[in-house]
Amino acid sequence: KAGVTQTPRYLIKTRGQQVTLSCSPISGHRSVSWYQQTPGQGLQFLFEYFSETQRNKGNFPGRFSGRQFSNSRSEMNVSTLELGDSALYLCASSLAWDYGYTFGSGTRLTVV
Amino acid sequence: KNEVEQSPQNLTAQEGEFITINCSYSVGISALHWLQQHPGGGIVSLFMLSSGKKKHGRLIATINIQEKHSSLHITASHPRDSAVYICATENTGNQFYFGTGTSLTVIP
Repeated sequence: KAGVTQTPRYLIKTRGQQVTLSCSPISGHRSVSWYQQTPGQGLQFLFEYFSETQRNKGNFPGRFSGRQFSNSRSEMNVSTLELGDSALYLCASSLAWDYGYTFGSGTRLTVV
Repeated sequence: KNEVEQSPQNLTAQEGEFITINCSYSVGISALHWLQQHPGGGIVSLFMLSSGKKKHGRLIATINIQEKHSSLHITASHPRDSAVYICATENTGNQFYFGTGTSLTVIP
């Protein structure tokens, strides 16, 4: 069966722009969570959606937002990009909390 | 916030050795995850634990809820086990906190 698909794989943006990343979960999975990974901070939790509702949010500024559609696909948006937003953005999907998570390959965002 | 600490940070082993990676956390959790990340970024979820012990092939994960401690063991290590292993805690609010990872290199 298809895994978690993230698009695009690579992205280069300039400071001040905004970006939207997409995550298609495994079919049937209703939970999608997003993470940021940087060399300095490691992996950090951004937010988690379940059935189109944001259930929790990590400690990130309001420039980071997301949403989930009725087909469980999720998008993450970052507005007014800063150089420090350069990172690997990962999403993971889950059937339910006790079923574990499957990660996508990530989107590598470079802000110049 | 949950402080998640892993040890060691870096580990080099000879092929065939038994390997242990440790994870300690500071507050109560609903689950603990062990993740494996290979160069290039791909992350694989190895285990999700809320109590006791789980085993998949040569990998074993244990958790002691009272001591707030988990270990990941690799028996008969192999060069393909070389990766970064990350411990992550999940609280009842579905928030995750991650350790900084243990970089494992297994030498043939």
